[in-house]
Amino acid sequence: EDQVTQSPEALRLQEGESSSLNCSYTVSGLRGLFWYRQDPGKGPEFLFTLYSAGEEKEKERLKATLTKKESFLHITAPKPEDSATYLCAVKTDSWGKLQFGAGTQVVVTP
Amino acid sequence: DGGITQSPKYLFRKEGQNVTLSCEQNLNHDAMYWYRQDPGQGLRLIYYSQIVNDFQKGDIAEGYSVSREKKESFPLTVTSAQKNPTAFYLCASSGVRDRDDPETQYFGPGTRLLVL
Repeated sequence: EDQVTQSPEALRLQEGESSSLNCSYTVSGLRGLFWYRQDPGKGPEFLFTLYSAGEEKEKERLKATLTKKESFLHITAPKPEDSATYLCAVKTDSWGKLQFGAGTQVVVTP
Repeated sequence: DGGITQSPKYLFRKEGQNVTLSCEQNLNHDAMYWYRQDPGQGLRLIYYSQIVNDFQKGDIAEGYSVSREKKESFPLTVTSAQKNPTAFYLCASSGVRDRDDPETQYFGPGTRLLVL
């Protein structure tokens, strides 16, 4: 059975304190790995799509990387506005089903 | 601006009542999806539709129904058979015509359903 596990469940950072979130997966065939950001009471906001091991993508203070078993979301010098829940999802079927992890809640304090 | 709209933002359901959640997109996407989000859990797929007049059950379809009469619209009905409907409901879409990334799903703002 396909599984997606995110760690840690929660992360508290000081402003400027860089850190990484982990998304490990066991799937039969990866067709894409997706990172989203979700603010309380809102829909997930798309961040990155990664398709193959070794791929990296960056956006402002965020950088996503992918290996054959896991993905990391690196947050460099975070600011309070980076506080959110970060969701990881994998796609294994051609028709589009996403398997989501439970998310990592990040709080950045000034 | 292209995007996905969901209404209402909050919805209250009485015992034995069916309620319908609206989802509209103007991204010209072919595929649309409904997910349910509960605290501490990942999003779970309820129904999906790849083209008009066709839809398939997801992992937790019991107690829900959908229709796809127009490309832009994918309403979800929560029936009285769904015994634990309180959750945050999210609609998403993706499209092979999306020149940036046909695999990526984009989400609406969500509808929170509460039971009276």
